[in-house]
Amino acid sequence: DIQMTQSPSTLSASVGDRVTLSCRASQTIGSWLAWYQQKPGKAPDLLIYEASNLETGVPSRFSGSGSGTEFTLTISSLQPDDFATYYCQQYQSDSRTFGQGTKVEIK
Amino acid sequence: EVQLVESGGDLVQLGGSLRLSCGASGFAFSGYEMNWVRQAPGKGLEWISFIDNTGKTTSYADSVMGRFTISRDNAKNSLFLEMNSLRAEDTAIYFCARDSITSSFYFDLWGQGTLVTVSS
Repeated sequence: DIQMTQSPSTLSASVGDRVTLSCRASQTIGSWLAWYQQKPGKAPDLLIYEASNLETGVPSRFSGSGSGTEFTLTISSLQPDDFATYYCQQYQSDSRTFGQGTKVEIK
Repeated sequence: EVQLVESGGDLVQLGGSLRLSCGASGFAFSGYEMNWVRQAPGKGLEWISFIDNTGKTTSYADSVMGRFTISRDNAKNSLFLEMNSLRAEDTAIYFCARDSITSSFYFDLWGQGTLVTVSS
């Protein structure tokens, strides 16, 4: 299976900050990467697909980049609603795998 | 409203069985491939099973292969997960999740989840 590694595990930031989350794949996955946001007690929500495509309805402060094995999710100006856990997921292979998550918490 | 609603989660004994259901509404269920994804308490997400829109093609994570069976009833807009030989490590919230219409393997719609607790 392709292993996905996210960093950092926890990120402390303030409202208005620009934050960057990283995701690394154990082998090349092209652009077959998605990002999700999950709040406590809720299901994940799709933010980004195919590494850089913003899902309909997702605020434009979210952006994704990368290809191959290195990917990033950027929030240009952190809002109170953005404090959550973020997961990357590869779908290059039929056996899809997630990263372990990055929790974005209030500084 | 476009939504998925899971049900069937329960407290079950080690080695026991359980059947989860997921009802779809607000979209053409028969046109979409579907999945089950689980999340152990305080842990990350784990994809466990896939079924194509016809129900003829399925796949499973190694962790559940041979114990879990995914199926669907397109006439009833429903997805199922039959779980046998349950282990303590199967304790989790189970989400049904829809693949994108382009059949790319990312999940564009999730249910709220149903909790399965396996206890001795």
